[in-house]
Amino acid sequence: QKEVEQDPGPLSVPEGAIVSLNCTYSNSAFQYFMWYRQYSRKGPELLMYTYSSGNKEDGRFTAQVDKSSKYISLFIRDSQPSDSATYLCAMNRGYQKVTFGIGTKLQVIP
Amino acid sequence: KAGVTQTPRYLIKTRGQQVTLSCSPISGHRSVSWYQQTPGQGLQFLFEYFSETQRNKGNFPGRFSGRQFSNSRSEMNVSTLELGDSALYLCASSLESGSAYNEQFFGPGTRLTVL
Repeated sequence: QKEVEQDPGPLSVPEGAIVSLNCTYSNSAFQYFMWYRQYSRKGPELLMYTYSSGNKEDGRFTAQVDKSSKYISLFIRDSQPSDSATYLCAMNRGYQKVTFGIGTKLQVIP
Repeated sequence: KAGVTQTPRYLIKTRGQQVTLSCSPISGHRSVSWYQQTPGQGLQFLFEYFSETQRNKGNFPGRFSGRQFSNSRSEMNVSTLELGDSALYLCASSLESGSAYNEQFFGPGTRLTVL
């Protein structure tokens, strides 16, 4: 079993929909939780990171971490075609050894 | 400020050969990490270098090695290539390395195809 589980999708939604992306993990030592976006033929770029449990909002994006359930989520409000990409959850204990989910491919249809 | 650069962007090799990939981090960044990305396994951590020393290592065989130079540029080498080494190899740089959170900035990757 992988340390981080993420549904690879693909996930197709109409423009303007609320998108919910999720990951579960098994290592309770993880402290930092990140979401990356990766466009085709590009490297991942950081969208958000959170430390420990709680919510964090940045524009149309909200990240949630529930350490008791070992579950993290990313919500995208008012989704746009430009949001079409692969979304990767990631986590670590500090230090640079980051464990990634396999990524969910999202398509937002105009 | 220039981002992380990786060379070459594309590479085709045959089984048994060796390959060297290069990464130039963002100016001032001292930590460089390498990842392998495949459709089946996703992004997997290879190793991290900080101040020319390997700090962390993932679960890859000894055929995968790396080094970092005094200017923080890094290279990774894969010897005796196998078909399964075909992947996108990503380099990420960060300012520091330690127990606190340090944002990693990724390069565009090197696409390696082993025939």
